[in-house]
Amino acid sequence: AQTVTQSQPEMSVQEAETVTLSCTYDTSESDYYLFWYKQPPSRQMILVIRQEAYKQQNATENRFSVNFQKAAKSFSLKISDSQLGDAAMYFCAYRSARNTPLVFGKGTRLSVIA
Amino acid sequence: GAVVSQHPSWVICKSGTSVKIECRSLDFQATTMFWYRQFPKQSLMLMATSNEGSKATYEQGVEKDKFLINHASLTLSTLTVTSAHPEDSSFYICSADQRVGSGELFFGEGSRLTVL
Repeated sequence: AQTVTQSQPEMSVQEAETVTLSCTYDTSESDYYLFWYKQPPSRQMILVIRQEAYKQQNATENRFSVNFQKAAKSFSLKISDSQLGDAAMYFCAYRSARNTPLVFGKGTRLSVIA
Repeated sequence: GAVVSQHPSWVICKSGTSVKIECRSLDFQATTMFWYRQFPKQSLMLMATSNEGSKATYEQGVEKDKFLINHASLTLSTLTVTSAHPEDSSFYICSADQRVGSGELFFGEGSRLTVL
């Protein structure tokens, strides 16, 4: 079974600085999707960024970018120019193919210090 | 596009009663919907997978008779918590899969259930 590991239960970053959240996963599949979701106190799940495994280029979305290392099964999230609104729980998630569920890591709680 | 609406967002009920939570895809047809449960300060745990017109597939340890899932149409799935007890108090979130898409699942707003 696929597993997702987030080894950092909590992280903090100064406003305007950069922070990297770690994620590793285990799978025997060759084609899959990886995601980072943000969950603020409202508990709404917000997609931050996604990556298709067949794409070598790392995904970027404005201040958010990933470092996808397929061989190492690593998928870290970098947040640049951190803002107070970035404070939330961040979940790394894996999905092997269509019609399969997302498998989530345990999450990393990010605090942003003004 | 790709909006999923979940209702109610918050419900309080007495022990022994049943509660129904609805999950609707508003602007797309959802071939599959997934139901997750989240305890405070924990991650999302998959409860079941529902496909339109067929029986739901439950994860190990999830009681089928307690958590009834129905997916009667391509836009609606329901989760009924039967004979609720305080230990069923939790946050329940649904997510939906588009027929043609990018592999992304779309989440409802979640439902906070408190059983007294």
